[in-house]
Amino acid sequence: DSGVTQTPKHLITATGQRVTLRCSPRSGDLSVYWYQQSLDQGLQFLIQYYNGEERAKGNILERFSAQQFPDLHSELNLSSLELGDSALYFCASSVAEGAGYTFGSGTRLTVV
Amino acid sequence: GNSVTQMEGPVTLSEEAFLTINCTYTATGYPSLFWYVQYPGEGLQLLLKATKADDKGSNKGFEATYRKETTSFHLEKGSVQVSDSAVYFCALSGNDYKLSFGAGTTVTVRA
Repeated sequence: DSGVTQTPKHLITATGQRVTLRCSPRSGDLSVYWYQQSLDQGLQFLIQYYNGEERAKGNILERFSAQQFPDLHSELNLSSLELGDSALYFCASSVAEGAGYTFGSGTRLTVV
Repeated sequence: GNSVTQMEGPVTLSEEAFLTINCTYTATGYPSLFWYVQYPGEGLQLLLKATKADDKGSNKGFEATYRKETTSFHLEKGSVQVSDSAVYFCALSGNDYKLSFGAGTTVTVRA
């Protein structure tokens, strides 16, 4: 157990739907990062939050959004889902920017 | 921008063989370098890291040395085991603090 908790572990949904992925960072970690892992794109950075504020954006689609709450957990919202959104979505946390990252076990999203 | 290029796989080895996975990077400034490992069905685990030139990261028999002159961070292990079968990712963290990953190298060790 890495200390980073992601729920749900698996999610199957239809095209056009909206889903929310949840991440609880390791205790004491202030930064949360979201990554997408797909077979054709590899690991892609989506977005970073630090203590509730957005700090960096990567290759995140406009249909996707995220936030970090006062208790430091984070949610990644994916809407108008397409088949190509099927992937593993990882959350990682760190105590400070640039420190070592701890990854959760991921949420496997399948869009049918 | 920052980027990481790592040796393409898959790599198949026999137990007790020597493993090396090449990794080179492009970055401005002085990035931190990492190797992560992903076992089947699991998330990424930090294997080792180095934060400045000539630093050597090591863990579980794996080693990698931060070589600024060749912008490389090659991963090595002298004697692999079946349990080392996994996907290995080289990554860097630059001034923007986000991790940039290589494409990953799948390693399979046969008994």
